[in-house]
Amino acid sequence: DIQMTQSPSSLSASVGDRVTITCRASQGISNDLAWYQQKPGKVPNLLIYAASTLQSGVPSRFSGSGSGTDFTLTISSLQPEDVATYYCQKYNSAPRTFGQGTKVEIK
Amino acid sequence: EVQLLESGGGLVQPGGSLRLFCATSGFTFGGYAMNWVRQAPGKGLEWVAGISSSGGSTYYADSVKGRFTISRDNSKHTLFLQMNTLRAEDTAVYYCAKHKNSRGNAASDSWGQGTLVSVSS
Repeated sequence: DIQMTQSPSSLSASVGDRVTITCRASQGISNDLAWYQQKPGKVPNLLIYAASTLQSGVPSRFSGSGSGTDFTLTISSLQPEDVATYYCQKYNSAPRTFGQGTKVEIK
Repeated sequence: EVQLLESGGGLVQPGGSLRLFCATSGFTFGGYAMNWVRQAPGKGLEWVAGISSSGGSTYYADSVKGRFTISRDNSKHTLFLQMNTLRAEDTAVYYCAKHKNSRGNAASDSWGQGTLVSVSS
């Protein structure tokens, strides 16, 4: 099975900082990758699908890139409401594995 | 508005069984594949099982294969997860999630609020 590895596992940044999270697949998955945001005590929310397509209603400070095995989620200017754990997920085939998550905090 | 409402969770002893339900509304249920995803306390998301729009194809994580069965009733707009031979490590909040489009493989754009399953003696 394909493994999904996110880095870092956690980060602390200041409001307004540019934040980048990476996700690596152990084998190529084309662009069948999604990013989710889960705020504390809340349900996961789809941010990006097809590696780089922004889900409707998601702020434009979020962006995604990559294809094959290496992917990134970027927050161009970190806001207090972005405190959350972020997960990548492959969905090209089952099992639709998630990364282990990246916890983002405000410094 | 898409709505997903899970139920059926609770406390069960190791080796026991539970059946989870996900009642849906606001979309053409029979046109979308669905998934169950779980989250153990303080842990990350784990994909558990998926089912095609017709119900003809099912998929499972290795951790639940042979113990869990995903199914659906398109006439009742409901998704199910039959969980047998439960273990302590199955303790988690279980979410049902809808595929974003009618493709066989897609991201999940709508999630329920989850139902808690606790496996303990």
